[in-house]
Amino acid sequence: DTEVTQTPKHLVMGMTNKKSLKCEQHMGHRAMYWYKQKAKKPPELMFVYSYEKLSINESVPSRFSPECPNSSLLNLHLHALQPEDSALYLCASSHVQENNYGYTFGSGTRLTVV
Amino acid sequence: LAKTTQPISMDSYEGQEVNITCSHNNIATNDYITWYQQFPSQGPRFIIQGYKTKVTNEVASLFIPADRKSSTLSLPRVSLSDTAVYYCLVGDRSSASKIIFGSGTRLSIRP
Repeated sequence: DTEVTQTPKHLVMGMTNKKSLKCEQHMGHRAMYWYKQKAKKPPELMFVYSYEKLSINESVPSRFSPECPNSSLLNLHLHALQPEDSALYLCASSHVQENNYGYTFGSGTRLTVV
Repeated sequence: LAKTTQPISMDSYEGQEVNITCSHNNIATNDYITWYQQFPSQGPRFIIQGYKTKVTNEVASLFIPADRKSSTLSLPRVSLSDTAVYYCLVGDRSSASKIIFGSGTRLSIRP
């Protein structure tokens, strides 16, 4: 299995809702990442997990809460989002000591906050 | 963190070779250079990675001069399906680290 699977592919949520994005990989990668991408902009790093522990938080607002329950799963819990949080949310994984294959990205979750 | 600079956009025609250059003047000794391709509404896809000189795979070649302050991604005989955004990234691969995307180059291929 050489894929990163993200669910759902599309999500519409209200500003008072609580939802979660899910990411799964079975490549034995022990580093996992969340990126946010606005239209026609590059992906922006949000969080990095290394060996299931949060190692980097790029000053992301607390309405975004990451969770790494095991080495294959990465969640992003969403609460009280704003319309400007609408974006494509990308999950990626890699070996902690990266080899010649870089990161593997999922296809993303297209989030719309209304 | 090493910052990268790429052309905002490039145009070419089917069957041509396309070279996209990336500048990374403050690249560190441990940094590798990695290129990704991204189609609309999809995640970036790894293309190639290198440290110095030349690397080639089935998709592209990567040329890195001795001073490593720039790199060039070479796509041979492009087709319409190569229309995408190409990102050059520089980072230390010894640990899960902050890999920051630059602005990317929007490549448009015409018939």
